[in-house]
Amino acid sequence: GNSVTQMEGPVTLSEEAFLTINCTYTATGYPSLFWYVQYPGEGLQLLLKAMKADDKGSNKGFEATYRKETTSFHLEKGSVQVSDSAVYFCALSAAQGGSEKLVFGKGTKLTVNP
Amino acid sequence: DTGVSQDPRHKITKRGQNVTFRCDPISEHNRLYWYRQTLGQGPEFLTYFQNEAQLEKSRLLSDRFSAERPKGSFSTLEIQRTEQGDSAMYLCASSGTRHEQFFGPGTRLTVL
Repeated sequence: GNSVTQMEGPVTLSEEAFLTINCTYTATGYPSLFWYVQYPGEGLQLLLKAMKADDKGSNKGFEATYRKETTSFHLEKGSVQVSDSAVYFCALSAAQGGSEKLVFGKGTKLTVNP
Repeated sequence: DTGVSQDPRHKITKRGQNVTFRCDPISEHNRLYWYRQTLGQGPEFLTYFQNEAQLEKSRLLSDRFSAERPKGSFSTLEIQRTEQGDSAMYLCASSGTRHEQFFGPGTRLTVL
């Protein structure tokens, strides 16, 4: 079945540090890939997405590239801020019979210290 | 901003009781999803509606769980004879033609 494996947390960084959160997937067919973010006390928000191989998703300084050859979708940001502290979820969607249900990784908690 | 709303936000119940949650999707969205999230885990898919039709159910959705979406608008998720293992955050999401899922704030269920 489809699955997502992401880097175990928690991750603690200083402000302006470089961030990478690793994500790899297993899927039949050609999934779409997503990063969702959950800020403290808030619901899940879509951060970025990539619909096909070699697509790069970007938003708020975050980037991730859909790598079919390595089945990866690593999240990166060049300079993190305290406000980026949140839990980040990698997810895939493989349309099967019309449903585009999301399969999520376990999440990676990021804490950014000033 | 009329995003996805869920009610109640928190529910505490005793084991064996029935509970019902409501989800109001974004008005023009025809697809609606329910997920369950336990502590330290990512959300897990429960069920999917396209308009009023329930088209997919996860194996996680035991016979004690039932979901409806009458008239293709709001949806309800009912859990009968709750068990302590049902304690979780129940998330609703909706999507439209762009197939991006927008999540509600969730209903946190605690079964004592």
